[in-house]
Amino acid sequence: DQQVKQNSPSLSVQEGRISILNCDYTNSMFDYFLWYKKYPAEGPTFLISISSIKDKNEDGRFTVFLNKSAKHLSLHIVPSQPGDSAVYFCAASLFNFGNEKLTFGTGTRLTIIP
Amino acid sequence: NAGVMQNPRHLVRRRGQEARLRCSPMKGHSHVYWYRQLPEEGLKFMVYLQKENIIDESGMPKERFSAEFPKEGPSILRIQQVVRGDSAAYFCASSPPAGQGNTIYFGEGSWLTVV
Repeated sequence: DQQVKQNSPSLSVQEGRISILNCDYTNSMFDYFLWYKKYPAEGPTFLISISSIKDKNEDGRFTVFLNKSAKHLSLHIVPSQPGDSAVYFCAASLFNFGNEKLTFGTGTRLTIIP
Repeated sequence: NAGVMQNPRHLVRRRGQEARLRCSPMKGHSHVYWYRQLPEEGLKFMVYLQKENIIDESGMPKERFSAEFPKEGPSILRIQQVVRGDSAAYFCASSPPAGQGNTIYFGEGSWLTVV
């Protein structure tokens, strides 16, 4: 039962353009969402998060949008840079229910084309 | 500030041997999580621990796997009688006590190869 889904296994974007990575979830109780970036042979690196009481959170080139009614969130990276090439994981938790474990999507491999 | 520290980074074991993976959380963090990533798959939750307590072990295989986070020292994930299917990357993560932040930070991972 995949509660967090990233339906695009891969995405290629031209350098300087906007990268949009999508994530859908099925559990309406999830109340905290995070994006992680992962390079090969390294651990996931935290990028940005959003609480379910918000619909947008911005940090530099990264913006996360949350649509609770659609159970959908997206990560926007603008402008995209070659160093952004990595696998991006969406994750969700039941933080306010006292369980902080993360449920991850299967990841989207982003390739930035110079 | 030191991040989440895992060791060993790489471990090779023969079938039937035991594997022990260690994790020291970030300073000030009291919650530890173990995740596993099989080849070509996403990260799967295994277990969530606080000092001397297992909070959620719903992702742990019922046999051969155990985890602890003692009062002193690192958290340990132990795999007994390893099989080829245990070959994976094992990631440890930590987070602060409740009310002090809600972001989970990961270590660099331990890669287990069973031959």
